[in-house]
Amino acid sequence: DAGVIQSPRHEVTEMGQEVTLRCKPISGHNSLFWYRQTMMRGLELLIYFNNNVPIDDSGMPEDRFSAKMPNASFSTLKIQPSEPRDSAVYFCASSFSSRTTEAFFGQGTRLTVV
Amino acid sequence: AQSVAQPEDQVNVAEGNPLTVKCTYSVSGNPYLFWYVQYPNRGLQFLLKYITGDNLVKGSYGFEAEFNKSQTSFHLKKPSALVSDSALYFCAVRDYNTDKLIFGTGTRLQVFP
Repeated sequence: DAGVIQSPRHEVTEMGQEVTLRCKPISGHNSLFWYRQTMMRGLELLIYFNNNVPIDDSGMPEDRFSAKMPNASFSTLKIQPSEPRDSAVYFCASSFSSRTTEAFFGQGTRLTVV
Repeated sequence: AQSVAQPEDQVNVAEGNPLTVKCTYSVSGNPYLFWYVQYPNRGLQFLLKYITGDNLVKGSYGFEAEFNKSQTSFHLKKPSALVSDSALYFCAVRDYNTDKLIFGTGTRLQVFP
């Protein structure tokens, strides 16, 4: 398996534009996580899916952020409208749905909002 | 709620010396604990985990971690540090109720030649 695949790797956009980040989890994994990493706030869990259903979205900063998982092999994180403070590295991770299993991370998407 | 704490923002150690990166946890129920490493401009990589059994867990790249229930700690260790071990290290816990993976704030390890 190629691991967790995220696209794009880098995204530069202007304030106010819509941004869509994409993630393909490892085949067979049924848990998916979206994290955001910044120097100031560290690694924050934004949302967690299990079997394509959002289980916990308490980390989503505000209504500008939304995430979907239409099927087991694809998820998106959308920011609309984007703001400079959204600049961060966004990671997707997947795992089997068990508290004893580790999660595997993608390479991340570095988002810069100017 | 489950949580982990990493009390040190940075740890400095000379190459060849033993290293320890500290982590303490707070959980209800059985703790499921993990260590990850992040190299610059990369995603997090899994190092090792404690689920049950032996308190000393061995993982990748010569790392090991010691689970201590009485001190609620799960410190990462390596007998002899390498310059290439320099990276950001994260401790994590799997939430007992929801299965979500919660990370500590991270510790930057710097190994000097």
